[in-house]
Amino acid sequence: AQKITQTQPGMFVQEKEAVTLDCTYDTSDPSYGLFWYKQPSSGEMIFLIYQGSYDQQNATEGRYSLNFQKARKSANLVISASQLGDSAMYFCAMREGPDYKLSFGAGTTVTVRA
Amino acid sequence: GAGVSQSPRYKVAKRGQDVALRCDPISGHVSLFWYQQALGQGPEFLTYFQNEAQLDKSGLPSDRFFAERPEGSVSTLKIQRTQQEDSAVYLCASNPAGRGTEAFFGQGTRLTVV
Repeated sequence: AQKITQTQPGMFVQEKEAVTLDCTYDTSDPSYGLFWYKQPSSGEMIFLIYQGSYDQQNATEGRYSLNFQKARKSANLVISASQLGDSAMYFCAMREGPDYKLSFGAGTTVTVRA
Repeated sequence: GAGVSQSPRYKVAKRGQDVALRCDPISGHVSLFWYQQALGQGPEFLTYFQNEAQLDKSGLPSDRFFAERPEGSVSTLKIQRTQQEDSAVYLCASNPAGRGTEAFFGQGTRLTVV
């Protein structure tokens, strides 16, 4: 079974608008961490935001916020005030329990239009 | 350097050739990971080192794949007798301790087997 599901292969968003990228996850471990990474065409994976399973509040980092709905096992990324430089591939990932490796989803391509 | 450095950035190998991919993690980082990213997919875990110890190699797809980190810093991923299905981007990541909140990724090595 897929641990991370990203159902949106590609999205278009107008500059300065907000965009929500969907991510659902599957784990039976009560302790886990959820990550979002950005991968521009240069190939490097850039860390954006982290949410721990026991965190009481949704994580925020600048224009990035994570809409964490534990009961629904979803961890959607919201990018506010989109910029042209936000055009990239975005990956949701999870680390479970005492494990150290990340399981990634298939990614969502975001294209920001001027 | 300030970030994770991988070399070469691009490698074209003839089928059957051996290749070696290098990763220089961030100085002082204990943990080092290798991931394989096929075109249009999310990264898949290959192997994990804590200092010089290879604690997990469960993701290596075959015995043609071998990784080492002899002095606990630089790591090399070696692929013997390359095959076309080995064509992918190989990403290296490091973090300061065993389960830091995020991993820092390099730009990857794009391997094309012809």
